[in-house]
Amino acid sequence: NAGVTQTPKFRVLKTGQSMTLLCAQDMNHEYMYWYRQDPGMGLRLIHYSVGEGTTAKGEVPDGYNVSRLKKQNFLLGLESAAPSQTSVYFCASRPVTGQLPYEQYFGPGTRLTVT
Amino acid sequence: GIQVEQSPPDLILQEGANSTLRCNFSDSVNNLQWFHQNPWGQLINLFYIPSGTKQNGRLSATTVATERYSLLYISSSQTTDSGVYFCAVLRVETSGSRLTFGEGTQLTVNP
Repeated sequence: NAGVTQTPKFRVLKTGQSMTLLCAQDMNHEYMYWYRQDPGMGLRLIHYSVGEGTTAKGEVPDGYNVSRLKKQNFLLGLESAAPSQTSVYFCASRPVTGQLPYEQYFGPGTRLTVT
Repeated sequence: GIQVEQSPPDLILQEGANSTLRCNFSDSVNNLQWFHQNPWGQLINLFYIPSGTKQNGRLSATTVATERYSLLYISSSQTTDSGVYFCAVLRVETSGSRLTFGEGTQLTVNP
């Protein structure tokens, strides 16, 4: 049981380049989330998904797109990277029901630098 | 949206000292979690505590939901406790549920 994994761990992009971050979870969780963390700040929600085939905007969605084609995977895309998107990106998931239905489990993060 | 305030923003301790971190939130919540972000950036779940008191070794947490605050206690601190401690609250609304983070308390424990 690997929990929540993220690929890649590090990436450097040039302005205007595109990339996709992959989040995978093996806990059969319905809900998945993408956050960004800027230096000295807490995490802010970019997009989230309440189930396969559904996505919704979070607090800071501009410049990002997401897809949830399979329940276990949640993809975050940057179509045209900008230096303002330099950040650490965290993925999280949580179950809908159970003893601790609202507890979120976080991946190890992806450190992205846009030059 | 809901506001989450943590205090103090920075805390420096000598090894062996005790400390209390506070999290205030502006509205009723369905969940509250405490996280430790270690110096390598990894987020570690400490407590899931929407109300009441929980203890795990040298750490304990108390949430008083009616007064909209939570406290994290660290006793006999160790250098490995260094890092940033985040409080995050979740509200379930008709538009969905969102976890809102505070800005964290940067803890440094010196040997």
